[in-house]
Amino acid sequence: QLQLQESGPGLVKPSETLSLTCTVSGGSINSISYYWGWIRQPPGKGLEWIGNIYFSGSTYYNPSLKSRLTISVDTSRNQFSLNLSSVTAADTALYYCARLSEDCSGGFCQLNYFDSWGQGTLVTVSS
Amino acid sequence: DIQLTQSPSFLSASVGDRVTITCRASQGISNYLAWGITSSLAWYQQKPGKAPKLLIYGTSTLQSGVPSRFSGSGSGTDFTLTISSLQPEDFATYYCQQLSDYPLTFGPGTKVDIK
Repeated sequence: QLQLQESGPGLVKPSETLSLTCTVSGGSINSISYYWGWIRQPPGKGLEWIGNIYFSGSTYYNPSLKSRLTISVDTSRNQFSLNLSSVTAADTALYYCARLSEDCSGGFCQLNYFDSWGQGTLVTVSS
Repeated sequence: DIQLTQSPSFLSASVGDRVTITCRASQGISNYLAWGITSSLAWYQQKPGKAPKLLIYGTSTLQSGVPSRFSGSGSGTDFTLTISSLQPEDFATYYCQQLSDYPLTFGPGTKVDIK
């Protein structure tokens, strides 16, 4: 059974960099049909997609975060990571990692869903 | 960006009620292919303190293990999630998500509460 687990500091100071890692177990991150993504949820609010990475290293970022965001993958450790720089209180949120399914047929590729999620990790930005 | 709106934002219902939640996209998210129409629209259920759980993808395909009282429909810009007979474990917040184009976006959520 696939499991994802987020890890990283729960408290980050303003202007510093938020760094999280997602460890995938029960399956390989080297899957041709899946991307690996980050989603966040400010306390009491809705879901915001942050970005995705493929095992090859290709990435897609939310334009609203792109200038501060780096997502990377370490296939040897079956992990992918998020770095968000110059954080402010607005970046305080529950951060989830998740697996994103893609189907390709007849030259057409379509993203389908986030089917496996980590439990989430709360990151608070405060001095 | 494709914006998603959901209605209602809050819904109070009783066990056994039929519940319908609407998700509207700011532009069409259906793909008209040689083999049919496909829409990258998914629905998730989230309970307090828990990660979202996938219910439906591709507008109407039920994720494995999800009860058949959940169903989805729609195309173009208008989509619905229906719970045919609300059960106590269904009280939660429901989100739609479009995966047709980047950036991926979620609806603001519909909270289903006990009447």
